Amino acid sequence: KAGVTQTPRYLIKTRGQQVTLSCSPISGHRSVSWYQQTPGQGLQFLFEYFSETQRNKGNFPGRFSGRQFSNSRSEMNVSTLELGDSALYLCASSPGTLPSYEQYFGPGTRLTVT
Amino acid sequence: QKEVEQNSGPLSVPEGAIASLNCTYSDRGSQSFFWYRQYSGKSPELIMFIYSNGDKEDGRFTAQLNKASQYVSLLIRDSQPSDSATYLCGRGDTGRRALTFGSGTRLQVQP
Repeated sequence: KAGVTQTPRYLIKTRGQQVTLSCSPISGHRSVSWYQQTPGQGLQFLFEYFSETQRNKGNFPGRFSGRQFSNSRSEMNVSTLELGDSALYLCASSPGTLPSYEQYFGPGTRLTVT
Repeated sequence: QKEVEQNSGPLSVPEGAIASLNCTYSDRGSQSFFWYRQYSGKSPELIMFIYSNGDKEDGRFTAQLNKASQYVSLLIRDSQPSDSATYLCGRGDTGRRALTFGSGTRLQVQP
C-alpha cells in the first residue's frame, strides 16, 4: 500500500506571500492531520480533517487554514507568510477510528520564508 | 508543565544493550500513546502504539504503559547503530483526535 505523499517537498517563499501545500493520504484513510515541526517548538498540531470536515484545530492563527476533498486529499494554506513560519510541515494519515487512531506521517514539506 | 515530557538526551548506549526511553504526561484523560522514530532530516515513523496498561511487544521493541503513574516507556532490545535517532512520544485523547508530542529523546547507539 502506498504511503502518504506530500507536495512540494521543498519551498522557498518571501514574507507576505501565501503558500499551499498538498497531501494525499494512505488509500482508505479518511483522516488527515497537519503538523508543524520546528527546532524550538517541536511537533505541533495544526488541524485535522475527516470526511471533508475540520474536526479539530490547534492553537495557530487564522492565517493557517486547510481543506479536504472528497477523495480525502488535503491541502493547507498559509497566507501572509512570516519568517517564523519556516518549518517542516507534516501531513499525517489515519484510519480515524477509535480507540487508537495511529497516524502515519508523510515525508513533509520544508518551507523556508525569507 | 508540558503535557508530554521527555528527556532530550542524548541517551547513549552500547550496541547490543537495552535502550530505555521514558515519557510522562500530565493529562489523565489521555487514551493512547504512540512512539515515533525520527531520523535527522526525515519525517517521524510510527514504531508502536499502546492504549492499555501493561506491556506491548513488537520485535525488539516493547512499550510499557502505566496510567496510574502517567508514565509510558519504550524499550529497545539489542540496540543497533541504525536505531540512533530521535524518539518522539505522543499522546492522544478520544475527544480531540490529535496527538500531542514531547520534544523527543535523542538516542545514540555506539558501535
